[in-house]
Amino acid sequence: AQTVTQSQPEMSVQEAETVTLSCTYDTSESDYYLFWYKQPPSRQMILVIRQEAYKQQNATENRFSVNFQKAAKSFSLKISDSQLGDAAMYFCAYAGNTGKLIFGQGTTLQVKP
Amino acid sequence: NAGVTQTPKFRVLKTGQSMTLLCAQDMNHEYMYWYRQDPGMGLRLIHYSVGEGTTAKGEVPDGYNVSRLKKQNFLLGLESAAPSQTSVYFCASTSQSGTSYNEQFFGPGTRLTVL
Repeated sequence: AQTVTQSQPEMSVQEAETVTLSCTYDTSESDYYLFWYKQPPSRQMILVIRQEAYKQQNATENRFSVNFQKAAKSFSLKISDSQLGDAAMYFCAYAGNTGKLIFGQGTTLQVKP
Repeated sequence: NAGVTQTPKFRVLKTGQSMTLLCAQDMNHEYMYWYRQDPGMGLRLIHYSVGEGTTAKGEVPDGYNVSRLKKQNFLLGLESAAPSQTSVYFCASTSQSGTSYNEQFFGPGTRLTVL
């Protein structure tokens, strides 16, 4: 069975600085997708970025980028130029052949002004 | 388009009471999902549906039932609520998967407390 692990329950960053959130996963599948979701206090789940496992190039979306290490089964999220609005809980998630999402435990990000 | 909506947004039940959570989507999506979110555990899949009239168990199905009588609606039922079912419940939907993954769209969540 696939698993997703986020080992950082809480992280903090100074406004305008850069922070990296860690995620590791375990799977025997060769084709899969990885995601980072943001959940602000409103509870709404917002897709931040996605990565297809067959793509070697790391995905980027504006200030958000990932470091995808397939052999190490690692998928970290880097947030550059952090803003107060980035404060939220971030979930790493995996989707394999079944299409079902498997989530990590989440990391709460605090942004200090 | 409203996207994915959930009714109600909040609910408090007593142990043993029953209730139904309604999820509705207006995107003509085939697949629908129910998750629960508990502190420190992320979201876990309860049940899902790959089309009208079909349902399947997810990771944590015990104590819940579901129905998908209409394509746009996915109902989650608690027949006899227990305090362990206190959680935030999310519904999600996505278009039919082919060879690529299609994004799941989430509802706003329902906070359920069982006393």
